[in-house]
Amino acid sequence: GQSLEQPSEVTAVEGAIVQINCTYQTSGFYGLSWYQQHDGGAPTFLSYNALDGLEETGRFSSFLSRSDSYGYLLLQELQMKDSASYFCSSGRDDKIIFGKGTRLHILP
Amino acid sequence: GAGVSQSPSNKVTEKGKDVELRCDPISGHTALYWYRQSLGQGLEFLIYFQGNSAPDKSGLPSDRFSAERTGGSVSTLTIQRTQQEDSAVYLCASSLGGSAEKLFFGSGTQLSVL
Repeated sequence: GQSLEQPSEVTAVEGAIVQINCTYQTSGFYGLSWYQQHDGGAPTFLSYNALDGLEETGRFSSFLSRSDSYGYLLLQELQMKDSASYFCSSGRDDKIIFGKGTRLHILP
Repeated sequence: GAGVSQSPSNKVTEKGKDVELRCDPISGHTALYWYRQSLGQGLEFLIYFQGNSAPDKSGLPSDRFSAERTGGSVSTLTIQRTQQEDSAVYLCASSLGGSAEKLFFGSGTQLSVL
């Protein structure tokens, strides 16, 4: 089967850096994506890794290690508006699946 | 349209009634996905369309659920004889070609079955 595992909750302080991990088990691998979802909102795309290494998009970066079946999302200079749920996702064509999401709490 | 549009945004229905949820994807997006999200939970995959065809319907929770897509565009998800456990947010997403790289989501339909 296919699955993506991520922590259910992470807490960090405003202005700090936080890392949200995702380990995956998939039949075949088609890249790892990250989405952000605020309460009551729709998931929105943040980042995508097809190859090993770090992808940087402003304050957000995503890392992938295919040999370890592992990736993470790195959020820098945390702001209160970053309080949301973050989902890792993988798959292709007929089935794109999501992890259960990590709720990020930010303390002032 | 500019984004994925779903209607209605909210639907309250009585147990046993049928409901129809609509998704209008981004123009030109050939791939369309339906997901279900219960409160505070992850996204449960329901079905995928490439054009008008759905190669695999095994993600649908029961035979009360059906989906179709016409003209390679609008899709409807129908739930017959609704049950209380069907209460959830139903999200639709589209992408250019079935790539896992980037899905665009609609705002969802909040379904409440009383």
